[in-house]
Amino acid sequence: DAEITQSPRHKITETGRQVTLACHQTWNHNNMFWYRQDLGHGLRLIHYSYGVQDTNKGEVSDGYSVSRSNTEDLPLTLESAASSQTSVYFCASSPGIGKASNEQFFGPGTRLTVL
Amino acid sequence: RKEVEQDPGPFNVPEGATVAFNCTYSNSASQSFFWYRQDCRKEPKLLMSVYSSGNEDGRFTAQLNRASQYISLLIRDSKLSDSATYLCVVPNSGGYQKVTFGIGTKLQVIP
Repeated sequence: DAEITQSPRHKITETGRQVTLACHQTWNHNNMFWYRQDLGHGLRLIHYSYGVQDTNKGEVSDGYSVSRSNTEDLPLTLESAASSQTSVYFCASSPGIGKASNEQFFGPGTRLTVL
Repeated sequence: RKEVEQDPGPFNVPEGATVAFNCTYSNSASQSFFWYRQDCRKEPKLLMSVYSSGNEDGRFTAQLNRASQYISLLIRDSKLSDSATYLCVVPNSGGYQKVTFGIGTKLQVIP
């Protein structure tokens, strides 16, 4: 069955370190998204991609970057981790075409703690 | 007006009750809407899509009121397993194929 996976599921790191969170989908979806979820804020969009070599900033992109070298993967990099980036990170994908183009499917999440 | 607004609850209802959540949106041009379910510390999962006036799936009914710009989710015969947070999702006015998630409404079904 097609799926979307994230790794690691839990990560503890120190302030200032570079961290990369992986996201891999086998749906062959064009669109991929990264969100963070914090109490009182709901899901907030960090970066997104509509296809290979395409990346775009979301509403909370400062301190994060992504790259899309193939359809399946959209890794999220925290260039210099800060305590404010302690959060749960969700990756999602959507088809990008057809009636269900906007239906997003989520990975299991990565719980990141920055000390 | 925010892109999407939801009452965060919590809604505490007895088993077997009918409960309804509303969600208002600001972008009158929106065409597709979604309800997601999120269990504690888990990923959101698509519950229902709404592309026209409404959608029904078993005990769950989603309705769209374009004139008043709100969507609703009705759950009949509530089960303990329905306890979760329900997220309203609307197209993002700022870009193609992006969506905006509501903060979610927490439902607790009590025995």
